[in-house]
Amino acid sequence: NAGVTQTPKFQVLKTGQSMTLQCAQDMNHEYMSWYRQDPGMGLRLIHYSVGAGITDQGEVPNGYNVSRSTTEDFPLRLLSAAPSQTSVYFCASSYESRGEEQYFGPGTRLTVT
Amino acid sequence: GQSLEQPSEVTAVEGAIVQINCTYQTSGFYGLSWYQQHDGGAPTFLSYNALDGLEETGRFSSFLSRSDSYGYLLLQELQMKDSASYFCAVRSLTGGGNKLTFGTGTQLKVEL
Repeated sequence: NAGVTQTPKFQVLKTGQSMTLQCAQDMNHEYMSWYRQDPGMGLRLIHYSVGAGITDQGEVPNGYNVSRSTTEDFPLRLLSAAPSQTSVYFCASSYESRGEEQYFGPGTRLTVT
Repeated sequence: GQSLEQPSEVTAVEGAIVQINCTYQTSGFYGLSWYQQHDGGAPTFLSYNALDGLEETGRFSSFLSRSDSYGYLLLQELQMKDSASYFCAVRSLTGGGNKLTFGTGTQLKVEL
């Protein structure tokens, strides 16, 4: 199993541009989530999904959209990039929403200039 | 909401034992988890306490006391490779338990 994969690994955007961060898992996990990590602030939940077709907001959802058309994929869309969205983005999955163990992808390092 | 507090940095010598504390304020949660993250890497799961008491996994142990709103991660026989950041996390009872909240993390430096 590849586990949780994320693309791209690095990305530089100009303010106002849009883009999609890709996340996929091959473990048949129902629960998937997106976090951002900023220095000294730990991981903060952006959006999550408890199954295909079901998504909800986390702690910091503004400026981001998600969809879950399949169990495997959970893309994160930045609608109009802002410098405040410069961060490292991690996708994670688990068998169920209350699963003890979250499996994290390798992360996407995004810089918005 | 939930808040989890951890010391920002802990330093210890190779072979020693170190304890990383996590104090929290939450209205209720399913359990306390611990994750390890090396510089530039992804968080990886270490331990989970659903009930009060001690859970042991090799050199790592984790403890939870709901009455004291407190937990800790204990690392024994420290190795240089244990130098990393460690995060505690809770899943709140509200919202169906779907939201995981992380502490700000503790950077552990292991010295010779």
